This record gives sequence, C-alpha cells and structure tokens, in this order.
Amino acid sequence: GENVEQHPSTLSVQEGDSAVIKCTYSDSASNYFPWYKQELGKGPQLIIDIRSNVGEKKDQRIAVTLNKTAKHFSLHITETQPEDSAVYFCAASTTGRRALTFGSGTRLQVQP
Amino acid sequence: GAVVSQHPSWVICKSGTSVKIECRSLDFQATTMFWYRQFPKQSLMLMATSNEGSKATYEQGVEKDKFLINHASLTLSTLTVTSAHPEDSSFYICSAGRDLLYNEQFFGPGTRLTVL
Repeated sequence: GENVEQHPSTLSVQEGDSAVIKCTYSDSASNYFPWYKQELGKGPQLIIDIRSNVGEKKDQRIAVTLNKTAKHFSLHITETQPEDSAVYFCAASTTGRRALTFGSGTRLQVQP
Repeated sequence: GAVVSQHPSWVICKSGTSVKIECRSLDFQATTMFWYRQFPKQSLMLMATSNEGSKATYEQGVEKDKFLINHASLTLSTLTVTSAHPEDSSFYICSAGRDLLYNEQFFGPGTRLTVL
C-alpha cells in the first residue's frame, strides 16, 4: 500500500521567513495530494491540494509543488505569520483507494 | 461550502458502555465518509471507509464488531464504539468526500473520547 514520509517533524522560523515541508510517496498510482493544517484540539483543515496533472499550484502565501518522477511534493509558506503555527500534514490517495494516507506531520512554530 | 460537523465534540464515559459519534456533511452529499483515529502527537490513522447504503470497509487491525459504522444517508455517518475501554480513548475524526475522481476530503472538528 501507499507510504507517505514527511520531513521535518518540527520546524521553527522567524516571522516573515519562508517555511518548506517535504513529503515523498511510494505508490506511483497516487494522483491527489492535499495538505492539511491542524490546530490543537481541532480537525484538519484543507489548505491546498494538487492533482497529478499539475506541477505547481499557488494560493496567496501558500504553494505546493509536485514532482511525479521523483514522487515527492512540497508545501511552501511565504511571509510566515504567528497564526501559521500549527501541525501540517501531507497526504496522498489514488482514485481506486479513496482513503488518504497521511504523513507523520510537521509542527511549525513561527516566532514573532 | 464543504462543511462537516461532528457530534458530540467531546464525551466521557465509563468502561463497558457504548458511545455513538455522528458525522454530517452540511452542504454537500458525500457518497463516501471516512473515520480516523488520532492519538496525541501522532498522525491520523484510517479506521474505516463508509459508503452510503453498504457495509463499511475496515482497515487491518480495526475490530468491526467493536467499531460499528452506519452510513444511512448521503449526509450522515455514525461510529459507535461498543464496550469502550480506556485504551479506546482517543480523538476520532470523520471526513467526507465529494469528488468521485479526486479524493478531496473535508474533515469534521473531531470528537474527544475519554473512557474512565
């Protein structure tokens, strides 16, 4: 089955700096790659996603890139703000197996 | 749009009792809903996939007789933890999918279960 690895496990940046979180996946049939932000005690919130027919997608300060050949995708957050502090999860899925396989999570801390 | 609710948000029960958690998609129809469990400082682990009108598909290692899932309509799925024990204490989160090709999923706020 699918295996998703996520790095780093923790990331501390200064306010205004950029943050990058990377994930790799194992199943070449995976075609959907969402990123979720989870705050303490809450459910994950979808912040951006990318499909296998696209190499990059951007939404304001957040961008995701996908390299299908290398089977990795990354989340980029620019101009970080303290409210960006949370745990971020990457995930992957295929059309056949609709459930998401999650990475282990990255705890992002933005220092004011 | 794409709002998923869960009820209750937290529950405390005695060992041996059963607890039911509801998951509703409020503004879209979800042919498939998923149930996850999350232990502190860990990732989400899929428990089962719930399809409207059919039996749920459980992940390996998840007891289907202990975690009963019902998906009676396109907007409601329920998870019942039967004969709960302290080791069942966890954060239970549901998600609902609305796209048949790409698995876009939206998550509920989660239910914190504490079994005494």
